[in-house]
Amino acid sequence: DAKTTQPNSMESNEEEPVHLPCNHSTISGTDYIHWYRQLPSQGPEYVIHGLTSNVNNRMASLAIAEDRKSSTLILHRATLRDAAVYYCILRDVESGGGADGLTFGKGTHLIIQP
Amino acid sequence: NAGVTQTPKFRILKIGQSMTLQCAQDMNHNYMYWYRQDPGMGLKLIYYSVGAGITDKGEVPNGYNVSRSTTEDFPLRLELAAPSQTSVYFCASSYYGGSPLHFGNGTRLTVT
Repeated sequence: DAKTTQPNSMESNEEEPVHLPCNHSTISGTDYIHWYRQLPSQGPEYVIHGLTSNVNNRMASLAIAEDRKSSTLILHRATLRDAAVYYCILRDVESGGGADGLTFGKGTHLIIQP
Repeated sequence: NAGVTQTPKFRILKIGQSMTLQCAQDMNHNYMYWYRQDPGMGLKLIYYSVGAGITDKGEVPNGYNVSRSTTEDFPLRLELAAPSQTSVYFCASSYYGGSPLHFGNGTRLTVT
């Protein structure tokens, strides 16, 4: 899987939007962009994924650049419960069917101030 | 629907001891995975399985063994525990290779 680059940490205020960036300049045409988050003392939790178009779900939105070399996870109104490590992961399901799971980096540690 | 259940939650082993970390899922997922997470680091894949009777090595398989006799269970075996195996272990499952992974809450293992 191609590599992603994320800031080590970000800080935001409660009830404000949060934009978490991810760079993936070596992304291939069959790489999906996945986001997971890990709350303290818990296992990672799926947030959202997409290929080319922007995606929305109940948890967040994913904005994908036109050239796909970067993406942004958007939390529309952060709460204290959103404080977690957020992982941006590329997953090529064409190669091996994605059977070997996900390759995790260090992610972005999101701090929410009350 | 419990999702992915891992037992035990915590364990302390002495060097050279053996143990099995249990993982069970009730979502009828075909794919299952074992990861380890060292402090301040991302997760690393130990072993994975695409179905009952089929297992394969991940990035860091040395010192571990797995089996997959049923769809539901995917135990991880440590034969001769070493301090380097002190870590938090996460089990995960997915319906197929491209679908989102569901993780358990982990087993925190200390080897002294």
